[in-house]
Amino acid sequence: QKEVEQNSGPLSVPEGAIASLNCTYSDRGSQSFFWYRQYSGKSPELIMFIYSNGDKEDGRFTAQLNKASQYVSLLIRDSQPSDSATYLCAGDDPGGYNKLIFGAGTRLAVHP
Amino acid sequence: EAQVTQNPRYLITVTGKKLTVTCSQNMNHEYMSWYRQDPGLGLRQIYYSMNVEVTDKGDVPEGYKVSRKEKRNFPLILESPSPNQTSLYFCASSLRGRHNEQFFGPGTRLTVL
Repeated sequence: QKEVEQNSGPLSVPEGAIASLNCTYSDRGSQSFFWYRQYSGKSPELIMFIYSNGDKEDGRFTAQLNKASQYVSLLIRDSQPSDSATYLCAGDDPGGYNKLIFGAGTRLAVHP
Repeated sequence: EAQVTQNPRYLITVTGKKLTVTCSQNMNHEYMSWYRQDPGLGLRQIYYSMNVEVTDKGDVPEGYKVSRKEKRNFPLILESPSPNQTSLYFCASSLRGRHNEQFFGPGTRLTVL
């Protein structure tokens, strides 16, 4: 069973701090990884994607991929209350056409 | 505006009454997919389509049907809904390829009594 695992949280951080969200994946054949943000009752929206080992930065967001450890993370710098949401980690299924395997999500709460 | 639309957004129905949830995208994407989202279980794929007239089962296809007669539309059909199909449903679309972002529709909240 191919899996993407995330800590469900909630992860609570103060405003201005760095939030660190993590996920692990089971299939070494996965190449592409996506972080989606989902506000309560809304649809997922893409924050970052990464497919090379190392870091990828976009504004306040940094995605990190370590294929040897099968580990993906998302760092949010200068966290804002508007960042409070559930963050979904997804990896592509090498055996499935365009298929993504989603983790259950980590709920982030940024408090003023 | 590039988007995925779904209708209806909310639906309350009774066991056994056939229903269809429509999905349409205006981005000329080849790939479309249906997911259901349940608390603690994340997004699970129901069915997907690689192009017109090409569909296949995802991880939880039981009780669902789909069709892809046109590139832009991918309706989800529940022929005899049951209470365990009460869930939040999302349609998504993307270009072909493993690195491509999937764009999600706004979701349909279905309650089966």
